[in-house]
Amino acid sequence: DAGVIQSPRHEVTEMGQEVTLRCKPISGHDYLFWYRQTMMRGLELLIYFNNNVPIDDSGMPEDRFSAKMPNASFSTLKIQPSEPRDSAVYFCASSHRGSHQPQHFGDGTRLSIL
Amino acid sequence: GQNIDQPTEMTATEGAIVQINCTYQTSGFNGLFWYQQHAGEAPTFLSYNVLDGLEEKGRFSSFLSRSKGYSYLLLKELQMKDSASYLCAVTPGEVNTGFQKLVFGTGTRLLVSP
Repeated sequence: DAGVIQSPRHEVTEMGQEVTLRCKPISGHDYLFWYRQTMMRGLELLIYFNNNVPIDDSGMPEDRFSAKMPNASFSTLKIQPSEPRDSAVYFCASSHRGSHQPQHFGDGTRLSIL
Repeated sequence: GQNIDQPTEMTATEGAIVQINCTYQTSGFNGLFWYQQHAGEAPTFLSYNVLDGLEEKGRFSSFLSRSKGYSYLLLKELQMKDSASYLCAVTPGEVNTGFQKLVFGTGTRLLVSP
């Protein structure tokens, strides 16, 4: 079975540019999560969706960040304009309904803002 | 607020046993997960505890004490491939943010030497 698929795997861009990260969750999963991981702060939840509806976006750093889930098989995380401090690894994860259900992570997007 | 503490680094020898501790102080509790993350890769699910006691899965076991806000991951017969970061995560289960949200500790980097 295919796991969570993220693209691109690596992105290097200049400050001020728009960045779009993409995620395809595991088919049949009800929940989709976007995380950011840095050495200093570890793995932080940015936003998560249930059946394509955003449930908690309290982790989104500021208005430069936005996320959408137009359908059950696709989500995007956008940063506009990007800044050097946004450099991190961004993970997407998905899971079935239930607090006992583990989240399955994609391979991540390593983002570098110059 | 949510607070999850783990040691930053641990070292152990191949064939030995190591215990990685996790203490948590969260607004609620609906379960605790352990994930393994090799350098440059995605986190992968290891174990889930919601009731007090020990859960055993092959060489890995996880223990939970809800009254003490404490968990540990026990790794037996260590192998070189066990060198990785181990992440403790709690589901606070708040009504306004749902019961799927995970809060991660910053992880424990384990180095297994020959």
